[in-house]
Amino acid sequence: NAGVTQTPKFQVLKTGQSMTLQCAQDMNHNSMYWYRQDPGMGLRLIYYSASEGTTDKGEVPNGYNVSRLNKREFSLRLESAAPSQTSVYFCASISDTQYFGPGTRLTVL
Amino acid sequence: GQQLNQSPQSMFIQEGEDVSMNCTSSSIFNTWLWYKQDPGEGPVLLIALYKAGELTSNGRLTAQFGITRKDSFLNISASIPSDVGIYFCAGLAGYALNFGKGTSLLVTP
Repeated sequence: NAGVTQTPKFQVLKTGQSMTLQCAQDMNHNSMYWYRQDPGMGLRLIYYSASEGTTDKGEVPNGYNVSRLNKREFSLRLESAAPSQTSVYFCASISDTQYFGPGTRLTVL
Repeated sequence: GQQLNQSPQSMFIQEGEDVSMNCTSSSIFNTWLWYKQDPGEGPVLLIALYKAGELTSNGRLTAQFGITRKDSFLNISASIPSDVGIYFCAGLAGYALNFGKGTSLLVTP
């Protein structure tokens, strides 16, 4: 039981490049989430998926898209990366409590 | 997202001292959660609170869900060096988990 896994752990992009952050959970949870964490800002919700086949915007969705591929997987895509998207990205899943992945550290130059 | 005000922002204490931090909100939450985050890691759940007035302990940690459902506190007794980290409160409303900005705790031997 690996919990919540994220890939990659680190990524450096140039402005305008695209990439997809992958997240998977093996706890059979219905709800999955993507957060970004910036210094002094805490964790801010980007998108969430309450169940397979549904996605909803969170607090800071602009510049991102998501796909709930199946119950296990929830990916986050940056179509055209910007320096303002330099951050640490956390995926999480929830049953009665929320479990976090180890994070992806993204730098956009 | 709903604003959570977490205080203090940082604490610098000596080993053996007790610590108290709290979170307030203008909104009502059905669940309060407290997380600890170590450098380079994702947040790890410490305590979950599900009922107004609930007082729950986990070893040296004690947390309470405020009667008004708009606040919560976390106490750490007899702090030790490994308590160092950032502590986050979070309130659950529907599917979205709203986070405070964190309390950074430093413990000197």
